[in-house]
Amino acid sequence: EIVLTQSPGTLSLSPGERATLSCRASQSVNSSSLAWYQQKPGQAPRLLMYGASSRATGIPDRFSGSGSGTDFTLTISRLEPEDFAVYYCQQYSGSPPIFTFGPGTKVDIK
Amino acid sequence: EVQLLESGGGLVQPGGSLRVSCTTSGFTFRMYAMSWVRQAPGKGLEWVSGISVSGTNTYYADSVKGRFTISRDNSRNILYLQMDSLRAEDTAVYYCAKWEDGSKNYFDYWGQGTLVTVSS
Repeated sequence: EIVLTQSPGTLSLSPGERATLSCRASQSVNSSSLAWYQQKPGQAPRLLMYGASSRATGIPDRFSGSGSGTDFTLTISRLEPEDFAVYYCQQYSGSPPIFTFGPGTKVDIK
Repeated sequence: EVQLLESGGGLVQPGGSLRVSCTTSGFTFRMYAMSWVRQAPGKGLEWVSGISVSGTNTYYADSVKGRFTISRDNSRNILYLQMDSLRAEDTAVYYCAKWEDGSKNYFDYWGQGTLVTVSS
Protein backbone atom coordinates (compact mmCIF):
# COMPACT_ATOMS: atom_id res chain seq x y z
CA GLU A 1 0.00 0.00 0.00
CA ILE A 2 1.30 3.43 -0.95
CA VAL A 3 1.75 5.85 1.96
CA LEU A 4 1.69 9.59 1.38
CA THR A 5 3.69 11.96 3.57
CA GLN A 6 3.07 15.70 3.53
CA SER A 7 5.46 18.38 4.71
CA PRO A 8 5.59 20.59 6.52
CA GLY A 9 2.82 19.73 8.94
CA THR A 10 2.13 23.42 9.45
CA LEU A 11 3.22 26.35 7.33
CA SER A 12 2.96 29.79 8.89
CA LEU A 13 2.99 32.55 6.31
CA SER A 14 1.66 36.04 5.70
CA PRO A 15 -0.79 37.10 2.99
CA GLY A 16 1.06 37.77 -0.24
CA GLU A 17 3.78 35.21 0.47
CA ARG A 18 4.45 32.11 -1.57
CA ALA A 19 3.48 28.71 -0.15
CA THR A 20 5.17 25.49 -1.20
CA LEU A 21 3.60 22.25 0.03
CA SER A 22 5.18 18.85 -0.47
CA CYS A 23 3.59 15.42 -0.92
CA ARG A 24 5.90 12.42 -1.00
CA ALA A 25 4.83 8.86 -1.83
CA SER A 26 6.39 5.70 -0.43
CA GLN A 27 6.64 4.35 -3.98
CA SER A 28 6.21 5.77 -7.45
CA VAL A 29 2.75 7.13 -8.21
CA ASN A 30 1.09 7.62 -11.56
CA SER A 31 0.98 11.40 -11.74
CA SER A 32 -2.36 11.24 -13.53
CA SER A 33 -3.84 9.91 -10.28
CA LEU A 34 -2.48 12.55 -7.91
CA ALA A 35 -4.90 15.18 -6.64
CA TRP A 36 -4.91 18.02 -4.12
CA TYR A 37 -7.79 19.24 -1.93
CA GLN A 38 -8.35 22.28 0.26
CA GLN A 39 -10.40 22.07 3.43
CA LYS A 40 -11.50 24.94 5.64
CA PRO A 41 -12.84 24.44 9.19
CA GLY A 42 -16.36 23.05 9.22
CA GLN A 43 -16.42 22.62 5.46
CA ALA A 44 -16.12 19.71 3.07
CA PRO A 45 -12.91 19.29 1.10
CA ARG A 46 -12.71 21.06 -2.26
CA LEU A 47 -10.85 19.73 -5.26
CA LEU A 48 -7.97 22.01 -6.28
CA MET A 49 -5.78 20.00 -8.64
CA TYR A 50 -6.01 16.69 -10.45
CA GLY A 51 -3.56 14.81 -12.62
CA ALA A 52 -0.87 16.48 -10.48
CA SER A 53 -0.95 19.74 -12.46
CA SER A 54 -4.45 20.43 -13.79
CA ARG A 55 -6.53 23.01 -11.97
CA ALA A 56 -10.11 22.09 -11.15
CA THR A 57 -12.97 24.24 -12.36
CA GLY A 58 -12.99 27.68 -10.78
CA ILE A 59 -9.60 27.37 -9.08
CA PRO A 60 -7.54 30.56 -9.47
CA ASP A 61 -4.25 30.43 -11.31
CA ARG A 62 -2.24 31.31 -8.20
CA PHE A 63 -2.55 27.58 -7.45
CA SER A 64 -0.25 25.27 -9.37
CA GLY A 65 0.83 21.67 -9.05
CA SER A 66 3.86 19.79 -10.22
CA GLY A 67 5.86 16.65 -9.71
CA SER A 68 6.23 13.07 -10.76
CA GLY A 69 7.28 9.71 -9.40
CA THR A 70 7.35 10.04 -5.64
CA ASP A 71 7.57 13.82 -5.18
CA PHE A 72 4.75 16.26 -5.81
CA THR A 73 4.32 19.93 -4.96
CA LEU A 74 1.40 22.31 -4.58
CA THR A 75 2.39 25.96 -4.89
CA ILE A 76 0.30 28.98 -4.01
CA SER A 77 2.08 31.90 -5.63
CA ARG A 78 0.66 34.68 -3.46
CA LEU A 79 -1.44 33.79 -0.46
CA GLU A 80 -4.86 35.39 -0.23
CA PRO A 81 -6.74 35.52 3.10
CA GLU A 82 -9.12 32.78 1.90
CA ASP A 83 -6.22 30.38 1.21
CA PHE A 84 -5.47 29.71 4.87
CA ALA A 85 -6.70 26.15 5.26
CA VAL A 86 -5.59 22.52 5.37
CA TYR A 87 -4.37 20.92 2.15
CA TYR A 88 -4.44 17.20 1.40
CA CYS A 89 -2.84 15.22 -1.39
CA GLN A 90 -4.51 12.03 -2.62
CA GLN A 91 -3.39 9.21 -4.85
CA TYR A 92 -5.27 6.38 -6.53
CA SER A 93 -4.14 2.83 -7.14
CA GLY A 94 -6.18 0.41 -9.25
CA SER A 95 -6.71 -3.37 -9.08
CA PRO A 96 -8.45 -3.13 -6.68
CA PRO A 97 -9.20 0.57 -6.52
CA ILE A 98 -7.79 2.22 -3.42
CA PHE A 99 -7.53 5.90 -2.59
CA THR A 100 -4.96 7.17 -0.12
CA PHE A 101 -4.80 10.63 1.41
CA GLY A 102 -1.82 12.33 2.94
CA PRO A 103 -2.07 13.61 6.54
CA GLY A 104 -2.44 17.21 5.42
CA THR A 105 -0.54 20.49 5.64
CA LYS A 106 -2.10 23.35 7.56
CA VAL A 107 -1.36 26.78 6.15
CA ASP A 108 -1.99 29.35 8.83
CA ILE A 109 -1.51 33.05 9.22
CA LYS A 110 1.82 34.15 10.63
CA GLU B 1 -25.47 22.90 -9.93
CA VAL B 2 -24.14 19.65 -8.51
CA GLN B 3 -25.44 18.94 -5.03
CA LEU B 4 -24.75 16.08 -2.66
CA LEU B 5 -26.67 15.92 0.61
CA GLU B 6 -25.87 13.32 3.24
CA SER B 7 -28.33 12.23 5.90
CA GLY B 8 -28.84 9.51 8.46
CA GLY B 9 -25.97 10.15 10.83
CA GLY B 10 -26.37 10.01 14.58
CA LEU B 11 -25.39 8.30 17.80
CA VAL B 12 -25.16 4.50 17.79
CA GLN B 13 -23.84 2.03 20.32
CA PRO B 14 -20.77 -0.10 19.64
CA GLY B 15 -21.79 -3.19 17.71
CA GLY B 16 -24.81 -1.41 16.29
CA SER B 17 -25.83 -0.54 12.75
CA LEU B 18 -26.62 2.61 10.85
CA ARG B 19 -27.37 3.49 7.24
CA VAL B 20 -26.36 6.85 5.82
CA SER B 21 -27.66 8.21 2.54
CA CYS B 22 -26.51 10.73 -0.02
CA THR B 23 -29.16 12.37 -2.16
CA THR B 24 -27.77 13.87 -5.33
CA SER B 25 -28.87 16.35 -7.99
CA GLY B 26 -27.44 18.49 -10.76
CA PHE B 27 -25.68 15.69 -12.65
CA THR B 28 -26.55 12.39 -14.28
CA PHE B 29 -26.03 10.16 -11.26
CA ARG B 30 -26.19 6.86 -13.14
CA MET B 31 -23.18 7.86 -15.25
CA TYR B 32 -20.72 8.37 -12.38
CA ALA B 33 -18.95 6.23 -9.85
CA MET B 34 -19.37 7.37 -6.27
CA SER B 35 -17.48 7.06 -3.01
CA TRP B 36 -17.64 7.60 0.72
CA VAL B 37 -14.80 9.35 2.54
CA ARG B 38 -14.71 9.87 6.30
CA GLN B 39 -12.94 12.19 8.69
CA ALA B 40 -12.58 11.41 12.39
CA PRO B 41 -12.79 14.44 14.69
CA GLY B 42 -9.65 16.54 14.32
CA LYS B 43 -8.09 14.03 11.93
CA GLY B 44 -7.42 13.70 8.22
CA LEU B 45 -9.38 12.19 5.37
CA GLU B 46 -9.83 8.43 4.93
CA TRP B 47 -11.37 6.80 1.87
CA VAL B 48 -13.98 4.26 2.97
CA SER B 49 -15.70 2.78 -0.06
CA GLY B 50 -16.48 3.20 -3.76
CA ILE B 51 -19.06 1.89 -6.21
CA SER B 52 -19.19 1.63 -9.98
CA VAL B 53 -21.84 3.31 -12.12
CA SER B 54 -24.09 0.25 -12.25
CA GLY B 55 -23.42 -0.81 -8.68
CA THR B 56 -21.97 -4.11 -9.84
CA ASN B 57 -18.48 -3.39 -8.53
CA THR B 58 -17.88 -2.25 -4.97
CA TYR B 59 -14.62 -1.45 -3.22
CA TYR B 60 -13.71 -1.06 0.45
CA ALA B 61 -10.88 0.07 2.66
CA ASP B 62 -9.46 -2.75 4.75
CA SER B 63 -10.66 -0.97 7.90
CA VAL B 64 -14.32 -1.45 6.97
CA LYS B 65 -14.27 -4.53 4.73
CA GLY B 66 -16.86 -7.08 5.83
CA ARG B 67 -18.70 -4.54 8.01
CA PHE B 68 -19.81 -1.80 5.61
CA THR B 69 -21.83 -2.15 2.40
CA ILE B 70 -22.08 0.52 -0.26
CA SER B 71 -25.00 0.58 -2.68
CA ARG B 72 -26.82 2.93 -4.99
CA ASP B 73 -30.30 3.51 -6.41
CA ASN B 74 -29.89 4.97 -9.87
CA SER B 75 -33.64 5.47 -10.25
CA ARG B 76 -33.68 7.78 -7.23
CA ASN B 77 -30.15 9.26 -7.53
CA ILE B 78 -29.22 8.11 -4.02
CA LEU B 79 -26.02 6.59 -2.64
CA TYR B 80 -26.06 4.52 0.54
CA LEU B 81 -23.60 3.23 3.11
CA GLN B 82 -24.83 0.47 5.42
CA MET B 83 -22.59 0.29 8.47
CA ASP B 84 -22.74 -2.79 10.71
CA SER B 85 -20.71 -3.93 13.71
CA LEU B 86 -19.78 -0.33 14.38
CA ARG B 87 -16.77 0.48 16.52
CA ALA B 88 -15.70 3.58 18.38
CA GLU B 89 -13.03 4.17 15.74
CA ASP B 90 -15.76 4.52 13.09
CA THR B 91 -16.78 7.81 14.70
CA ALA B 92 -16.38 10.40 11.96
CA VAL B 93 -18.02 12.77 9.55
CA TYR B 94 -18.97 10.74 6.50
CA TYR B 95 -18.79 12.52 3.16
CA CYS B 96 -20.17 11.27 -0.10
CA ALA B 97 -18.16 12.26 -3.12
CA LYS B 98 -18.60 12.08 -6.86
CA TRP B 99 -15.80 9.95 -8.21
CA GLU B 100 -14.32 11.08 -11.51
CA ASP B 101 -12.94 7.74 -12.65
CA GLY B 102 -11.15 6.71 -15.81
CA SER B 103 -7.59 7.77 -16.53
CA LYS B 104 -7.56 10.24 -13.66
CA ASN B 105 -9.21 9.37 -10.38
CA TYR B 106 -10.29 12.06 -8.00
CA PHE B 107 -13.35 13.44 -6.20
CA ASP B 108 -14.68 16.56 -7.88
CA TYR B 109 -17.76 17.20 -5.75
CA TRP B 110 -18.38 16.53 -2.06
CA GLY B 111 -21.38 16.72 0.22
CA GLN B 112 -21.29 18.58 3.53
CA GLY B 113 -21.08 15.37 5.51
CA THR B 114 -23.06 13.60 8.20
CA LEU B 115 -21.66 12.86 11.65
CA VAL B 116 -21.70 9.29 12.93
CA THR B 117 -20.86 8.85 16.61
CA VAL B 118 -20.27 5.37 17.99
CA SER B 119 -20.45 5.45 21.75
CA SER B 120 -22.18 3.79 24.67
